[in-house]
Amino acid sequence: AQSVTQLDSQVPVFEEAPVELRCNYSSSVSVYLFWYVQYPNQGLQLLLKYLSGSTLVESINGFEAEFNKSQTSFHLRKPSVHISDTAEYFCAVSAQGGSEKLVFGKGTKLTVNP
Amino acid sequence: EAGVTQFPSHSVIEKGQTVTLRCDPISGHDNLYWYRRVMGKEIKFLLHFVKESKQDESGMPNNRFLAERTGGTYSTLKVQPAELEDSGVYFCASSQGRRGEKLFFGSGTQLSVL
Repeated sequence: AQSVTQLDSQVPVFEEAPVELRCNYSSSVSVYLFWYVQYPNQGLQLLLKYLSGSTLVESINGFEAEFNKSQTSFHLRKPSVHISDTAEYFCAVSAQGGSEKLVFGKGTKLTVNP
Repeated sequence: EAGVTQFPSHSVIEKGQTVTLRCDPISGHDNLYWYRRVMGKEIKFLLHFVKESKQDESGMPNNRFLAERTGGTYSTLKVQPAELEDSGVYFCASSQGRRGEKLFFGSGTQLSVL
């Protein structure tokens, strides 16, 4: 079985500041890792994912996440946030074999203030 | 291309009543998933269809929940009879089927059981 821990339920930051949203996971098997984002009144959208290869993955809007196997972490970072990044961010894992279901963390609400 | 559509967007019912949620996946997506988020908690997997077959229903809470996917197209999730603890946001997601591929989520149905 897998579990995901997002250590911060809410993260307030000022515009143009850097941000890191933390995610740790636990699994007895190898996993794929994902970050999804939910903007107000919308469904979840995939932000980025790690399947294999380079441990640093990037999204088209400036976010990046690094898979750290030894620390079982997949933290999300952005060097300079915008007001439009205000949303709820979910870290998720799925097993590389067996069930294809996603196991989510509780989510982190990022609020970017002017 | 139309996204994943869910309706109703909101439903308020009384304990003991029946509610049916509907999900229309993206055309051509064989995989359809139901997830639920109870307020303050993580998004949890309910079940997974591949075409019209239930691939994994390990997350269904109890036999008051019945999911169907007629002809491998749209899906319904019926709760009968509804209980207070069934309140939450029910998300539907679909994908074309390759493991690790991103899921496309609907906006969710907010179910309130009073």
